[in-house]
Amino acid sequence: DVKVTQSSRYLVKRTGEKVFLECVQDMDHENMFWYRQDPGLGLRLIYFSYDVKMKEKGDIPEGYSVSREKKERFSLILESASTNQTSMYLCASASGRAGNEQFFGPGTRLTVL
Amino acid sequence: GQSLEQPSEVTAVEGAIVQINCTYQTSGFYGLSWYQQHDGGAPTFLSYNALDGLEETGRFSSFLSRSDSYGYLLLQELQMKDSASYFCAVRHNYGQNFVFGPGTRLSVLP
Repeated sequence: DVKVTQSSRYLVKRTGEKVFLECVQDMDHENMFWYRQDPGLGLRLIYFSYDVKMKEKGDIPEGYSVSREKKERFSLILESASTNQTSMYLCASASGRAGNEQFFGPGTRLTVL
Repeated sequence: GQSLEQPSEVTAVEGAIVQINCTYQTSGFYGLSWYQQHDGGAPTFLSYNALDGLEETGRFSSFLSRSDSYGYLLLQELQMKDSASYFCAVRHNYGQNFVFGPGTRLSVLP
């Protein structure tokens, strides 16, 4: 079974703090994604990566950066957290070959005070 | 840009059939996916349609009409455990990128 894990289920940070969210997948997938999920807005893509050290901006990259130093690990970084970044953050991975299915982690609910 | 529309809520009773529609406007189109998400859970993949027509997987079926930029998810023999949010997602380029709709919350009543 594919397993995507995220470092925390719940996180509370203060405005201006640097925040790291980590995601690890165990199925050797080439593609990894970071989304944020807000009520009524669905899932919005922040960044994605097709390979180690590769990254591409999604639809809402402002205020975020990412790092992919190893194939199995994709980190999302909030350089200076703000209250409007309070959200559910979901990581996903997918095979780069014929796969059309994305496998999601359990999510991190981040609250920025 | 890309935009997808789904009804925000649908209610049905156990044993019934329900259809959740999705219309999309995207700059490119390679396929339409459906995901299910229970409260507090992660989205899980249900289906993917790249060609027009109906794909059936057990109680769930998914339909696509590329000419109408429209698809739907059909859930038959509804069960209480089907109460969840359902998201359509369009693959708008050759990569693995998908744009997700706002989601439809399905409530199944006894």
